[in-house]
Amino acid sequence: AQRVTQPEKLLSVFKGAPVELKCNYSYSGSPELFWYVQYSRQRLQLLLRHISRESIKGFTADLNKGETSFHLKKPFAQEEDSAMYYCALGSTDSWGKLQFGAGTQVVVTP
Amino acid sequence: NAGVTQTPKFQVLKTGQSMTLQCAQDMNHEYMSWYRQDPGMGLRLIHYSVGAGITDQGEVPNGYNVSRSTTEDFPLRLLSAAPSQTSVYFCASSSRTGRSGANVLTFGAGSRLTVL
Repeated sequence: AQRVTQPEKLLSVFKGAPVELKCNYSYSGSPELFWYVQYSRQRLQLLLRHISRESIKGFTADLNKGETSFHLKKPFAQEEDSAMYYCALGSTDSWGKLQFGAGTQVVVTP
Repeated sequence: NAGVTQTPKFQVLKTGQSMTLQCAQDMNHEYMSWYRQDPGMGLRLIHYSVGAGITDQGEVPNGYNVSRSTTEDFPLRLLSAAPSQTSVYFCASSSRTGRSGANVLTFGAGSRLTVL
């Protein structure tokens, strides 16, 4: 069975401090991992996907298949990073539907 | 380009009432899905569709019906509303064609439903 675990419900960090959001998954097949973000009063939107290996808004995430993790990191948090972040798992066996984690609320204080 | 449009944005129902949440997309996406968002539980898949005329259940389908008569529309019906269905509902769509791939979802703005 697919499962996505985000252990932190809330992360409160100071502006300029590093931030790391943890995500662990369980899946027996070939996974696709994503980070989606929901800013206040905005739609849920894609932040990162593991296959693109990009840095978006200063965030990076590396898929570690050995540890089944896809942690999201940013070295210097900004106030505009305050949002709800969801880790999500998809597969090539079942297109178009994702398994989401419970979400982590990030609050960046000045 | 409107993307994914959901209506209504807010709705209050009494227990036992029925209603339909509307979802329409204008991107010719073949995949559409409905999720509910609850605090501490993230987004959970209710129903999804891989094309017109084809639907399947997700993780939490009980109490909800869907149909997909056209590529554009994917309404979610609550047959007899219960307080446990108080939630924020999101419709999403995606496509295997194009650069993004079928697992990159475009979301609607959400519909907040309260059942008294």
